[in-house]
Amino acid sequence: QVQLQESGPGLVKPSETLSLTCTVSGGSISGYYWSWIRQPPGKGLEWIGYIFYSGSTNYNPSLKSRVTISVDTSKNQFSLKLTSVTAADTAVYYCARQRGGGMENWGQGTLVTVSS
Amino acid sequence: DIQMTQSPSSLSASVGDRVTITCQASQGISKYLNWYQQKPGKAPKLLIYDASNLETGVPSRFSGSGSGTDFTFTISSLQPEDIATYYCQQCGNLPYTFGQGTKLEIK
Repeated sequence: QVQLQESGPGLVKPSETLSLTCTVSGGSISGYYWSWIRQPPGKGLEWIGYIFYSGSTNYNPSLKSRVTISVDTSKNQFSLKLTSVTAADTAVYYCARQRGGGMENWGQGTLVTVSS
Repeated sequence: DIQMTQSPSSLSASVGDRVTITCQASQGISKYLNWYQQKPGKAPKLLIYDASNLETGVPSRFSGSGSGTDFTFTISSLQPEDIATYYCQQCGNLPYTFGQGTKLEIK
């Protein structure tokens, strides 16, 4: 059973860059699409974007100017960078493996707080 | 973006009740609608994909139907462990979008 684990700083200062990594274990990153989704505290889910294992990406237009998703197949990892963060970017960030357009496997999520 | 309107936003029901949640898309998405269950402090879990297909390992009391713009999610006999927030998600068009969620409570 594939498992996903998010890692990265839990606190980021306003205007700085949020960086998270998702490590995939129990299966290969190859052959799949991988997504990032976030959830502000007490609110709903927002899809951030996905990357195919080959490196092709698609981002939510609402975040596109600030988001970069990359993949490292040698490490079985993919990563999220979100620049110029504000308090509105405070959320639990999830990584997930897609099957079709559905998120079939999720990481446990990591809370990132934007605060000085 | 396609807007997903879920109703109701909250629901209180008794154990054994039949529970129905609806999701309406702002434009047609064919069958490309998924349903998730999220328990407090946990990641969402995929229950139904492509509107009506039950994910492996998910109890058969969960079901989904619909196509185009109107979709329904049903729990045939509510169990205590079904207490959670349920979300629909469309994957017919990018960007993927989610409904606002339905919080299900036991009466």
